[in-house]
Amino acid sequence: GENVEQHPSTLSVQEGDSAVIKCTYSDSASNYFPWYKQELGKRPQLIIDIRSNVGEKKDQRIAVTLNKTAKHFSLHITETQPEDSAVYFCAATSWGYQKVTFGTGTKLQVIP
Amino acid sequence: DTGVSQDPRHKITKRGQNVTFRCDPISEHNRLYWYRQTLGQGPEFLTYFQNEAQLEKSRLLSDRFSAERPKGSFSTLEIQRTEQGDSAMYLCASSPEGQSQETQYFGPGTRLLVL
Repeated sequence: GENVEQHPSTLSVQEGDSAVIKCTYSDSASNYFPWYKQELGKRPQLIIDIRSNVGEKKDQRIAVTLNKTAKHFSLHITETQPEDSAVYFCAATSWGYQKVTFGTGTKLQVIP
Repeated sequence: DTGVSQDPRHKITKRGQNVTFRCDPISEHNRLYWYRQTLGQGPEFLTYFQNEAQLEKSRLLSDRFSAERPKGSFSTLEIQRTEQGDSAMYLCASSPEGQSQETQYFGPGTRLLVL
């Protein structure tokens, strides 16, 4: 089955700096990669996703890159703000296959 | 709130008791998923329904766990003879059919504590 590894497990950045979270996956059939943000005590919320037919996707301060050959994908947050502080999860699945495999999460702390 | 809802939000039970959780998906979503999340970990897939049919079950779902979605709308997850290791957050998610079917929307979860 799919295995998703995520690094780092914790990340502290100064407000305004960039944050990068990296994930690797094992199943070459995976072709959909969502990223979720989970604030303490709240539900995971989708913040951005990427499909395997593109290499990069951007939405305001958030971008995701995908390297299919190396089987890794990354989340980039620029100009971080205190409200970006949360746990971020990467995930992988394939279209038509409903099981989503999540990474272990990265706790991001943005220091004002 | 038109999002995924779950009930109860918190449940404390004694070991050996049975518990049942409910999930109401987004109304037009025909796919429904159950996950379990323990502290410091990502959600782990338990099972998946398309309409009323349970199409996939994880090996994590022991015989003590059963899930139903009788009319293809809300779903229930029952845990029989609870054990302390069952303590976790149980998350439900739903997704629509079609191009965005991979995008899952999560409910707030039910936090279970087994004493």
